[in-house]
Amino acid sequence: NAGVMQNPRHLVRRRGQEARLRCSPMKGHSHVYWYRQLPEEGLKFMVYLQKENIIDESGMPKERFSAEFPKEGPSILRIQQVVRGDSAAYFCASSPNGGDYGYTFGSGTRLTVV
Amino acid sequence: AQSVTQLDSQVPVFEEAPVELRCNYSSSVSVYLFWYVQYPNQGLQLLLKYLSGSTLVKGINGFEAEFNKSQTSFHLRKPSVHISDTAEYFCAWGSGNTPLVFGKGTRLSVIA
Repeated sequence: NAGVMQNPRHLVRRRGQEARLRCSPMKGHSHVYWYRQLPEEGLKFMVYLQKENIIDESGMPKERFSAEFPKEGPSILRIQQVVRGDSAAYFCASSPNGGDYGYTFGSGTRLTVV
Repeated sequence: AQSVTQLDSQVPVFEEAPVELRCNYSSSVSVYLFWYVQYPNQGLQLLLKYLSGSTLVKGINGFEAEFNKSQTSFHLRKPSVHISDTAEYFCAWGSGNTPLVFGKGTRLSVIA
């Protein structure tokens, strides 16, 4: 039973390029959450999705960031025109039922913008 | 706004000594509380959770936490730490379908 799979583990982008981060939730989990981790700041919620729906995107920056969780395939977090400040670890988590029993986290994607 | 405060950013402790990592939350509604551990360059792993019932919760790796509603706290404890416990620990709060809110983390360093 594979856990939450994130890829790539490391991603390097030049300023102005696009970054695509992928997350496949655990089997049987239909709720997906994206968090961003910056040093000394803990995890900041970005977006909560269920299949084909965005449930809560209150933590997403208004520009350049988008997320989707299509009927088939992984959830994608997309960052357009990356800037140095986007450098961070991005974690995906999944749950079967909205989180009452906690989330299962992936190993994260470490984005470096050069 | 709901929040989670981890009072110590770093906690150094000698091997085999006891440790307590403090966590306070602010919420006026029923909450679920969690502790996660993060080892270097890895994701977060669930240590333990409080949903309801007994206020003393036991988790993996010998950790336990106590929910104290009057003090809005959920401190994590271990009676005797090992070198392998060196990691970052995150307290988190949830309620219903609200996405989990995390504290800033406490870095536990176990010294031989």
